[in-house]
Amino acid sequence: QVQLQESGPGLVKPSETLSLTCTVSGGSISSYYWDWIRQPAGKGLEWIGRIYVSGSSNYNPSLKSRVTMSLDTSKNQFSLKLTSVTAADTAVYYCARERWEFNDAFDIWGQGTMVAVSS
Amino acid sequence: DIQMTQSPSSVSASVGDRVTITCRASQSITRYLNWYQQKPGKAPKLLIYAASSLQSGVPSRFSGSGSGTDFTLTISSLQPEDFATYYCQQSYSNPLLTFGGGTKVEIK
Repeated sequence: QVQLQESGPGLVKPSETLSLTCTVSGGSISSYYWDWIRQPAGKGLEWIGRIYVSGSSNYNPSLKSRVTMSLDTSKNQFSLKLTSVTAADTAVYYCARERWEFNDAFDIWGQGTMVAVSS
Repeated sequence: DIQMTQSPSSVSASVGDRVTITCRASQSITRYLNWYQQKPGKAPKLLIYAASSLQSGVPSRFSGSGSGTDFTLTISSLQPEDFATYYCQQSYSNPLLTFGGGTKVEIK
């Protein structure tokens, strides 16, 4: 079955760029939307954005100026870059598969990766 | 932006209880409403999509209802493994997807 795995640094300095990768196994990335969602400790879920195999992407307006997503079909991976990070960006970051036929629900999630922003 | 408000923020219940969680949208979202369960330290799990469709593999004690602005998730007979936090998510304002604040179901 399809599985997702996030990877990337667990610590990023303020004002620097957070970079994460999600590897898709057990299935092709060449379908569906692929999303990033984050969750600060003890708080709720925030949708960051999504990317499709065509390269088309959509971002949360609250983060749009700092977010870039990309996709590499040869590696079955997609990535997130968040620039100019602050302590407010400290969170668990999840990658997820979005199913349009399920009302754009997220049916498969990675285990999540904790990213702390600190000097 | 469409705001999603869940109530209550937490509920204490016993095994075997019927539990109902509410999610209210700030405007009509027709049936573009999904529900997730999240256990501590784990990723959310999809339970219900399109307001009332049960995701494959999810026990039938979970059900969803509603349309427009008001939605409910019901657990007909609470089991020990159901103690978790539940989130609603709207997709009406696609591509901007938003979640409710969560409802924690605790042991009474």
